[in-house]
Amino acid sequence: GAVVSQHPSWVICKSGTSVKIECRSLDFQATTMFWYRQFPKQSLMLMATSNEGSKATYEQGVEKDKFLINHASLTLSTLTVTSAHPEDSSFYICSALRGAVGGNQPQHFGDGTRLSIL
Amino acid sequence: DQQVKQNSPSLSVQEGRISILNCDYTNSMFDYFLWYKKYPAEGPTFLISISSIKDKNEDGRFTVFLNKSAKHLSLHIVPSQPGDSAVYFCAGNFNKFYFGSGTKLNVKP
Repeated sequence: GAVVSQHPSWVICKSGTSVKIECRSLDFQATTMFWYRQFPKQSLMLMATSNEGSKATYEQGVEKDKFLINHASLTLSTLTVTSAHPEDSSFYICSALRGAVGGNQPQHFGDGTRLSIL
Repeated sequence: DQQVKQNSPSLSVQEGRISILNCDYTNSMFDYFLWYKKYPAEGPTFLISISSIKDKNEDGRFTVFLNKSAKHLSLHIVPSQPGDSAVYFCAGNFNKFYFGSGTKLNVKP
């Protein structure tokens, strides 16, 4: 089956640090990748849609200067949390889509990154 | 604006019995619905989907039912196994995916 690798799985860092999270589709090319954030006992909240070779589409309320997304190739998207603060502590999950959005192709998720800002 | 809702945060079922997980939605434009299963410290994994033009889709022990008039879908697992214990998310798909908040299923041996 499809495999999406997300790295790192857990990060603890000081306030003010920038943190980069990588999302790789290992056995298929992903034109579209998604970045989600999950708060405890809540749903996955879509932060942005990452399109290979173009700018990411951010959801309302998500600061694009805070959460930098780069989708430089068909197998790699990165999320950089710039100047992270304790309120950015959360569980971040990426997913990759094999086909087009709106069809019956499911998203394939990474295992998530637990980000803890001290 | 939560377009997909899972009103039961948890469900406990005896091994061998049926598990029924419910999901309600508000957006009539969804063209596909999907169920994902998530274990702790892992990303969600795709389980089963259903097109909005169908009312049932079955895959082994898993069956998803869709009631469009009620804007309701459900996932049936029968027979339930302890390994099914996980958090289950339903999602609607229309241009992007909208996820419910999840239901934690506990299957007791």
